Amino acid sequence: KAGVTQTPRYLIKTRGQQVTLSCSPISGHRSVSWYQQTPGQGLQFLFEYFSETQRNKGNFPGRFSGRQFSNSRSEMNVSTLELGDSALYLCASSHLGPSGNTIYFGEGSWLTVV
Amino acid sequence: GIQVEQSPPDLILQEGANSTLRCNFSDSVNNLQWFHQNPWGQLINLFYIPSGTKQNGRLSATTVATERYSLLYISSSQTTDSGVYFCAVEYGEKLTFGTGTRLTIIP
Repeated sequence: KAGVTQTPRYLIKTRGQQVTLSCSPISGHRSVSWYQQTPGQGLQFLFEYFSETQRNKGNFPGRFSGRQFSNSRSEMNVSTLELGDSALYLCASSHLGPSGNTIYFGEGSWLTVV
Repeated sequence: GIQVEQSPPDLILQEGANSTLRCNFSDSVNNLQWFHQNPWGQLINLFYIPSGTKQNGRLSATTVATERYSLLYISSSQTTDSGVYFCAVEYGEKLTFGTGTRLTIIP
């Protein structure tokens, strides 16, 4: 069973540009969530999607947005990039099973804003 | 919101040593998970443990939900155990991560 796949793995953008990151969850998982990891703030929750609907949202400005498609694949977009948006962006998919709501992470997308 | 604190923040051990990592949380939670982040950034799920004790090889975890803490035990450490260990709690349908423990195993 393939894991959570994130693309691109590495990218460099300029301040003011926008970026789109993609995430393909584990087959059969309908919940996808996104996290931002920085040295200063640690791992912070961005948003969660389930069946194409945003269920939860973290405390990030409106420049951060996302969506989920009917095949459960998800994208997140950051507009008007700032230097502080440089981070590792992690996507996770989860499924409520006998062992509980276990969450699986992708390898992440490393974004550098210059 | 909920506070999740881990201790110690850094731990350096010789290969073969045992270690105990702690996670304290400030409110009742729906579940708790432990993760290991490897040097390439990927988070690997170790345990889903809202309460009780689980073991997987050299690793085991115990959560005492009534006292709001969880412990991760690593026995006979290997260099591949190096990395950052996070606990994460589900609170209000969101996963909140702790501050992490950076473990370095020296050969």
